[in-house]
Amino acid sequence: ETGVTQSPTHLIKTRGQQVTLRCSSQSGHNTVSWYQQALGQGPQFIFQYYREEENGRGNFPPRFSGLQFPNYSSELNVNALELDDSALYLCASSLGLGGADTIYFGEGSWLTVV
Amino acid sequence: AQSVTQLGSHVSVSEGALVLLRCNYSSSVPPYLFWYVQYPNQGLQLLLKYTSAATLVKGINGFEAEFKKSETSFHLTKPSAHMSDAAEYFCAVTSSGNTPLVFGKGTRLSVIA
Repeated sequence: ETGVTQSPTHLIKTRGQQVTLRCSSQSGHNTVSWYQQALGQGPQFIFQYYREEENGRGNFPPRFSGLQFPNYSSELNVNALELDDSALYLCASSLGLGGADTIYFGEGSWLTVV
Repeated sequence: AQSVTQLGSHVSVSEGALVLLRCNYSSSVPPYLFWYVQYPNQGLQLLLKYTSAATLVKGINGFEAEFKKSETSFHLTKPSAHMSDAAEYFCAVTSSGNTPLVFGKGTRLSVIA
C-alpha cells in the first residue's frame, strides 16, 4: 500500500479523443510526477508538479498536460489521442523534489487507444 | 544526462538459487539509485534505494544491492529465489535537486520450481 491511488484503472478511447487520468497522492506529498510505461518498456518521465506548478517535463508533446490541486490530487490530460499513447500511466508522489526522497507509485491507469 | 542499462531482459533461475539482476548506470553527478519491482498488472513497489550512505543496501523480501562506484554498477541480489519473486524488476537513477527518475528497460525474472 503506497497511499497513491489512480483512476480509472482501465479505459479504452478512440484515436483523436481526449482523456483525463486522476491521481490522489499521500497527504503532505508536495510533488507529483507522471510516467508513461509502454508495453515491455521502463517508465518514461512525462512531467512533474511541485506545489501546483509544473516543475520539469520530459520529452512529451504539449498535448500532454497536467494539473495539481491543493488537496494532493492531480490530473493528467492527453488531447488528440494517438495509437502510440496506449500505455500504462503511472502517478508517483514524494515529499520533496526527488533526490533521496522515496517516490511512491500508484497502480496505474491502463489506456488503450483504438 | 543520466541513463541506466539493465543487462538481460529475461533471467530465469531455479527456486532456491541465487538471484542476480544487473544494473549499470551513467551519471555525471553523484547518483541516487533505486530498484523497483512490478508484479503483473500492478504499479511499482520500491525494493531498496541507495542514497550515499552504506554502499550495501538491504531491502524488502530478502533483496540487497551493492553500489560500486568504480564499476558504475548497482546489481540486485537475493540468496535464494522464491516462486513469489517472479516479476519485472526496474533499476532507476536520479540525483539531488530537481531531476526525475530515469529507468532501465527492466528485467523479467522467472523462477522455476
